[in-house]
Amino acid sequence: EAGVVQSPRYKIIEKKQPVAFWCNPISGHNTLYWYLQNLGQGPELLIRYENEEAVDDSQLPKDRFSAERLKGVDSTLKIQPAELGDSAVYLCASSLGTSNEQFFGPGTRLTVL
Amino acid sequence: GIQVEQSPPDLILQEGANSTLRCNFSDSVNNLQWFHQNPWGQLINLFYIPSGTKQNGRLSATTVATERYSLLYISSSQTTDSGVYFCAGRPNSGYALNFGKGTSLLVTP
Repeated sequence: EAGVVQSPRYKIIEKKQPVAFWCNPISGHNTLYWYLQNLGQGPELLIRYENEEAVDDSQLPKDRFSAERLKGVDSTLKIQPAELGDSAVYLCASSLGTSNEQFFGPGTRLTVL
Repeated sequence: GIQVEQSPPDLILQEGANSTLRCNFSDSVNNLQWFHQNPWGQLINLFYIPSGTKQNGRLSATTVATERYSLLYISSSQTTDSGVYFCAGRPNSGYALNFGKGTSLLVTP
């Protein structure tokens, strides 16, 4: 069974440019999460989806970040415009319901110059 | 959210040694998980252990939910065990995993 897939694995952009990350969760997992991991820290939740509905986006900086999960499967996280402080690893995770084990993708390492 | 404290923050072992990593939570949690983050950044699931004890090869974990802590045991460590070990728990009132800062393990030949 395939795990959580993310692309790209690495992205280098200049500040003020837009960037997008893509995630394909484990087949059948209705709950999808985007986490942010800064260097030397554990991941922190940005947004959680139940099917296509964003049910917890309180930690998402909505002035520059947006996310969507149009058909309740794949998800895209976008930053526009990117700032230097956005350099981090963006992790996608999925689970079968919110009460169950979460599985993480390999992450996208973003560097903003 | 809850506070998750992991100890020790750093650990250096010689190959073959045993170790115990600890995770304390400031409040009750569900869905307690242990992860190994390899040098490429991938978070690998080790244990899903809300309570009790589980074993998988050289690794085992014990969670005492009533006392809000969990332990990860690594026996006969190998160089491939190097990396950062995270514990994370979902608070009763939320759905996100709250992570600790991790234990950075280096196993030398």
